[in-house]
Amino acid sequence: GEDVEQSLFLSVREGDSSVINCTYTDSSSTYLYWYKQEPGAGLQLLTYIFSNMDMKQDQRLTVLLNKKDKHLSLRIADTQTGDSAIYFCAESFRDDKIIFGKGTRLHILP
Amino acid sequence: EPEVTQTPSHQVTQMGQEVILRCVPISNHLYFYWYRQILGQKVEFLVSFYNNEISEKSEIFDDQFSVERPDGSNFTLKIRSTKLEDSAMYFCASSGATGGLADTQYFGPGTRLTVL
Repeated sequence: GEDVEQSLFLSVREGDSSVINCTYTDSSSTYLYWYKQEPGAGLQLLTYIFSNMDMKQDQRLTVLLNKKDKHLSLRIADTQTGDSAIYFCAESFRDDKIIFGKGTRLHILP
Repeated sequence: EPEVTQTPSHQVTQMGQEVILRCVPISNHLYFYWYRQILGQKVEFLVSFYNNEISEKSEIFDDQFSVERPDGSNFTLKIRSTKLEDSAMYFCASSGATGGLADTQYFGPGTRLTVL
């Protein structure tokens, strides 16, 4: 079945790069996403990548997709305190259903 | 920028009562979804809706749940007889301005449902 796994916590010093990793089991996904959830808020779409791409860069965000290893990562350059949130990896399929990981809580150290 | 809105932001109800959660999707979208997130757990797919009917539903979406698009703007999730385990954040999403497959889903801010 479809499953998406992420580590639950990541601590990064302000100004450093954060790398959040995700693995998935079903390679038939069409899109892979990163969503951000701030405390008490909804899900904000950060970025997405087509499943036939390897990399996507969007300002401070870099998404890398390794289809062979079924591994997706999100790199946030120059991490700021405002980046503190839970980051959800997710994949979608032809039936439009999205499967989410449990989320990685990013904590920024001063 | 267009966004998905949801009301209410927080709903408290007694066990066994019916609740209706409301969503206004982005106006030119064609596909609509409900997800839920029990506190501390992952976001789970409930149901997708297109062309006035359910396209896909998960095993969570049992006979206690129903969805409706009563007019051209609202999309509702009804829980007929709430249980304690229905307490969660419920997210609405919409996608598919072009009706294409796997278009990006945009989420609303969520309704926190608390069942006492």
